Amino acid sequence: DIVMTQTPLSLPVTPGEPASISCRSSQSLFDSDTGNIYLDWYLQKPGRSPQLLIYTLSYRASGVPDRFSGSGSGTDFTLKISRVEAEDVGVYYCMQRIEFPLTFGGGTKVEIK
Amino acid sequence: QVQLVESGGGVVQPGGSLRLSCAASGFTFSSYGMHWVRQAPGKGLEWLALIQYDGRNKYYADSVKGRFTISRDNSKNTLYLQMNSLRVEDTSVYYCAKDRVPIAMRSAGFHYWGQGTRLAVSS
Repeated sequence: DIVMTQTPLSLPVTPGEPASISCRSSQSLFDSDTGNIYLDWYLQKPGRSPQLLIYTLSYRASGVPDRFSGSGSGTDFTLKISRVEAEDVGVYYCMQRIEFPLTFGGGTKVEIK
Repeated sequence: QVQLVESGGGVVQPGGSLRLSCAASGFTFSSYGMHWVRQAPGKGLEWLALIQYDGRNKYYADSVKGRFTISRDNSKNTLYLQMNSLRVEDTSVYYCAKDRVPIAMRSAGFHYWGQGTRLAVSS
């Protein structure tokens, strides 16, 4: 199975400042047939179900503010928030879907300082 | 709008069985792959199973393979998870989730999630 490793586990942030979360996969998520990297990002706000933020490495899901962006290569990925807002608190998860079983990272808890 | 409503959770003894349901509305259910994902108390997310839009192909996590069965009834817009041989470590909130793209041969990500249903496995 592909192991997804996220860092940091916890990220205190200041509103208005940028924030960055890293995710690493044990195998490449690059599909040479399609040219896509099958890495998604989810946010689970406190007491809520998870929501899709970014799919296929860098595409924002509908309704996701443009302060969120995804980037990376075959095994190293980054979610960036250009200017954190109070509503961005929660646990962020990366997930690979290049092969089964689909696997999530352990999560990064973002909280306001 | 898209709605996914899970039901069927509860308290079960180890070794017992339970069937979860996920009632879908607001989209063409028969065109989308559907997933089950769970979250143990205070823990992260664990993908469990996918059933493709037409029910032909199913995929499972190793942790539930042979014990859990995903199925769907497209005439009832309902997704199911039959859980047998339940273990204490199956205690979780179980979410159903809709795939992002219709008629897809591979998962395109989980676009909508239900509110979850809780399962506790305890003697």
